[in-house]
Amino acid sequence: QQQVKQSPQSLIVQKGGIPIINCAYENTAFDYFPWYQQFPGKGPALLIAIRPDVSEKKEGRFTISFNKSAKQFSLHIMDSQPGDSATYFCAASGNTGTASKLTFGTGTRLQVTL
Amino acid sequence: GAVVSQHPSRVICKSGTSVKIECRSLDFQATTMFWYRQFPKQSLMLMATSNEGSKATYEQGVEKDKFLINHASLTLSTLTVTSAHPEDSSFYICSARVFGQGAEQFFGPGTRLTVL
Repeated sequence: QQQVKQSPQSLIVQKGGIPIINCAYENTAFDYFPWYQQFPGKGPALLIAIRPDVSEKKEGRFTISFNKSAKQFSLHIMDSQPGDSATYFCAASGNTGTASKLTFGTGTRLQVTL
Repeated sequence: GAVVSQHPSRVICKSGTSVKIECRSLDFQATTMFWYRQFPKQSLMLMATSNEGSKATYEQGVEKDKFLINHASLTLSTLTVTSAHPEDSSFYICSARVFGQGAEQFFGPGTRLTVL
């Protein structure tokens, strides 16, 4: 119940394309859903996060769509650039007990080609 | 703001030696710090959670006597890998959370440990 399932494992898009990464969770105690970007040899950096009281959040070229009833959320990267090539992780956490720790998805390696 | 640093960024040691990794919150006080381990092309796996002034809580399967965690102040946590072996070679990442400011964690840049 603590798992967060992420897909696809890898993704290749052309510059300007809109890669979409999907995540699904089971634990209804989760109420915080962040996305992280990680470059090789670096720590993850928070991109954008959402709480279940809204269905969509945009920050710059990054958008999270959230479907509470389906327990799914996704990351869209608008006008993708080669500099967006990185590994993206979704995560989830709640307020109390074991759910208060971040549970990470398995990651998606994105490559944006010219 | 919300910068977390780690030192060293990479370390190479001989099998059987101990290695200490420092994690510091530079511009905020971190009541809770987390230590993760990441193997190549894999996700982050939580090793332990530490709260300032108290003993760390380890995840199932993580040997507390091998991975010693100390969180002596609100800005510093240390992870000591004792009697390191080649299988301990990994990327170790810390993160910090501010009490009362939600679930957001601020991650450090990571430490690459290679045990020969």
